Amino acid sequence: SQTIHQWPATLVQPVGSPLSLECTVEGTSNPNLYWYRQAAGRGLQLLFYSIGIDQISSEVPQNLSASRPQDRQFILSSKKLLLSDSGFYLCARKGTAGNTIYFGEGSWLTVV
Amino acid sequence: GQSLEQPSEVTAVEGAIVQINCTYQTSGFYGLSWYQQHDGGAPTFLSYNALDGLEETGRFSSFLSRSDSYGYLLLQELQMKDSASYFCAAAISSGSARQLTFGSGTQLTVLP
Repeated sequence: SQTIHQWPATLVQPVGSPLSLECTVEGTSNPNLYWYRQAAGRGLQLLFYSIGIDQISSEVPQNLSASRPQDRQFILSSKKLLLSDSGFYLCARKGTAGNTIYFGEGSWLTVV
Repeated sequence: GQSLEQPSEVTAVEGAIVQINCTYQTSGFYGLSWYQQHDGGAPTFLSYNALDGLEETGRFSSFLSRSDSYGYLLLQELQMKDSASYFCAAAISSGSARQLTFGSGTQLTVLP
């Protein structure tokens, strides 16, 4: 089976601090990977997607960045967090059949 | 730009049938997906329509009309556990990868 691991599950960070959210995928090779953000009570906003190692596309310009150092690893980072970065961050992978994606369990970020 | 419209809230009673509509304006459209999200959890995949018509999966059905840029999710024999947010998402081609663009979600409340 194909599994998505995300960590940490929750974190509280002060404004101006750095961020690193990690996502790893099991059971598949060369997956398309995605980072989404969901603000409280809102829809899902695509932040980054990656079709392979070191191949990252950004959908929304902001103070976040993403990296894919290994085939099954996708990292979301920030050098200095803003209050507006608070939200639910979801890593996802493209399904093998059909044009759909599957999400990890998500990471709750609160910037204080 | 890409946009999907769906009602923000729907309320129904246990055992009833409810339909959640979704209209979209996108380019590079491949199909329409539906996701369910319970409070505090990650979205889970429900269904995907690549072709016009109805797809049935147990109590849930999803419909797509490409000519009308319209789809809906039909939930039958509603149960309390169906109370959740439901998102439609358009699979689109953007650059070198397929992506999902999400609607803002419909909060379904099932009453006893």
